[in-house]
Amino acid sequence: SAVISQKPSRDICQRGTSLTIQCQVDSQVTMMFWYRQQPGQSLTLIATANQGSEATYESGFVIDKFPISRPNLTFSTLTVSNMSPEDSSIYLCSVTDPLGQGGETQYFGPGTRLLVL
Amino acid sequence: GEDVEQSLFLSVREGDSSVINCTYTDSSSTYLYWYKQEPGAGLQLLTYIFSNMDMKQDQRLTVLLNKKDKHLSLRIADTQTGDSAIYFCAEAQGGKLIFGQGTELSVKP
Repeated sequence: SAVISQKPSRDICQRGTSLTIQCQVDSQVTMMFWYRQQPGQSLTLIATANQGSEATYESGFVIDKFPISRPNLTFSTLTVSNMSPEDSSIYLCSVTDPLGQGGETQYFGPGTRLLVL
Repeated sequence: GEDVEQSLFLSVREGDSSVINCTYTDSSSTYLYWYKQEPGAGLQLLTYIFSNMDMKQDQRLTVLLNKKDKHLSLRIADTQTGDSAIYFCAEAQGGKLIFGQGTELSVKP
């Protein structure tokens, strides 16, 4: 399975500022995803990071708030813009990996723990 | 809707078996997954089951799938304190993973 790292691992930020989170994979992957996990909650997909084109955002998430870059097949960034305390969450990137019989699964990075004051 | 549902908490004694249950929504899901999240860590893929199977065993883990009832369970035999974590079931819908709320497993010595 792919090895995924994220930077920073955690941060404390002031409201109104922005934070860019990096996700690095040790192999080339087609699909990369960004998720949010709010305190005590499950994971919610923010967007699919597409290499060479704009990210595809899920309902409730917009590019102005969560701009995403995907410059190559091993790297992506997620920016949390104009932060408010409601943005305090764990942000995780994931990549797809094939399973047998034509299926696939997702492997996750360690997450970035963000606290907005 | 697209809700995947799990009970929120389970407490067992060390050495007992744990059974974590999940109901999913999409009968066309090809794969169903169990992920484990230890405190302060990311998600680790624990196991998965292909939809044409009704059981999969992997060491201490047994996954049971009832497609008719859209019910998935994870049994952990001889549960250890190191198994304390949050367990998420997930189904694939249209290439995306939809997660349940997570079941927090507490293992008491």
